[in-house]
Amino acid sequence: DAGITQSPRYKITETGRQVTLMCHQTWSHSYMFWYRQDLGHGLRLIYYSAAADITDKGEVPDGYVVSRSKTENFPLTLESATRSQTSVYFCATAKLALNQETQYFGPGTRLLVL
Amino acid sequence: SQQGEEDPQALSIQEGENATMNCSYKTSINNLQWYRQNSGRGLVHLILIRSNEREKHSGRLRVTLDTSKKSSSLLITASRAADTASYFCATVLIGGSNYKLTFGKGTLLTVNP
Repeated sequence: DAGITQSPRYKITETGRQVTLMCHQTWSHSYMFWYRQDLGHGLRLIYYSAAADITDKGEVPDGYVVSRSKTENFPLTLESATRSQTSVYFCATAKLALNQETQYFGPGTRLLVL
Repeated sequence: SQQGEEDPQALSIQEGENATMNCSYKTSINNLQWYRQNSGRGLVHLILIRSNEREKHSGRLRVTLDTSKKSSSLLITASRAADTASYFCATVLIGGSNYKLTFGKGTLLTVNP
């Protein structure tokens, strides 16, 4: 059972390029999340999705686009990458049923924008 | 803005000692969760305490929650070198389909053998 996977695990790109980070889950959890983790800031929520075709902004959504056409996939796109988007990106899922409110994290994608 | 703030930012102890980390937050919550992150890895859920609970145990972990002070503490007893990691508190507020989980900046725990 793969659980939650992210791809690519490492990515180097240039300023201005479009980059898509993939997230795939095998659990059919309703909720999916994208976070970025930076030194001094901890984890900050970029976007989240409560179900297919339902997405909402988090704390730092500017410069990012998400979609969720299928329950199992939640891609994050940087439309025009900037150096400030260099970070480690984590995808997470949650079932959010009664007594099942924990989040499950993927291994992360390390993105470097030159 | 961060909801949870951990204290201390870094903690270094000897194996066998207890480690205590604190978390303060600002607004009402449904529950508070603690996560662990080993270097270069994703976060792993440790324990969840609901707003109507005051204390919870899981193995060597003990979590307390004081909603009047808007604070929580995580105690790891009889620490081991393998406990070396960053620990994050996360506050959760749920309303309808809105689910807001906000992480603090974390405490880096180093357990020296």
